[in-house]
Amino acid sequence: DAGITQSPRHKVTETGTPVTLRCHQTENHRYMYWYRQDPGHGLRLIHYSYGVKDTDKGEVSDGYSVSRSKTEDFLLTLESATSSQTSVYFCAIRDTGGEGPDNQPQHFGDGTRLSIL
Amino acid sequence: AQTVTQSQPEMSVQEAETVTLSCTYDTSESDYYLFWYKQPPSRQMILVIRQEAYKQQNATENRFSVNFQKAAKSFSLKISDSQLGDAAMYFCAYRSSNFGNEKLTFGTGTRLTIIP
Repeated sequence: DAGITQSPRHKVTETGTPVTLRCHQTENHRYMYWYRQDPGHGLRLIHYSYGVKDTDKGEVSDGYSVSRSKTEDFLLTLESATSSQTSVYFCAIRDTGGEGPDNQPQHFGDGTRLSIL
Repeated sequence: AQTVTQSQPEMSVQEAETVTLSCTYDTSESDYYLFWYKQPPSRQMILVIRQEAYKQQNATENRFSVNFQKAAKSFSLKISDSQLGDAAMYFCAYRSSNFGNEKLTFGTGTRLTIIP
């Protein structure tokens, strides 16, 4: 198993509250990602990071922010949660290909089920 | 923008038989990577197999193999000797090889049921 830990695994909260999800890796990989998974949509990229303090937006970034102050930790924050953000959230990591093709796959954590009432 | 289409929402196969899951994609790029991921009821996303577009040879991993047709933009997954543990959602995914393009685009998945 890739060394990825997501916390919490489950969370129920109310609309308007702030929520932070944590992804921790022990692989020292450069890239980290946050996805959400909803029925009928597969997985969609929220934000990703290509190094400490280096992040970029994905296709569904509105309402989310991220931070990466250490290589091993990537935080996803919902500043004011809405019911539309009820979803399963996955963290992923990826190593670089070194001097060869950059063809390394993403490896995923076990997901966090977030319910916003 | 790239899109990935899995046209079979559900498939079933008899245990020990062979099944093929379909995936097509749309891209204007010539170099990219393709992946199949498996998601069992435990919710984990597990990499099954990957294919580099510049390689003509189809990838294989034990009972899993792909039929990569670059011109047709098709990337199907064949599972041989199906086992009960193969029951899961299967997702096809695409990633550009362009530096800085980190987006992994997923299809909507195919739910595979194994019939004992």
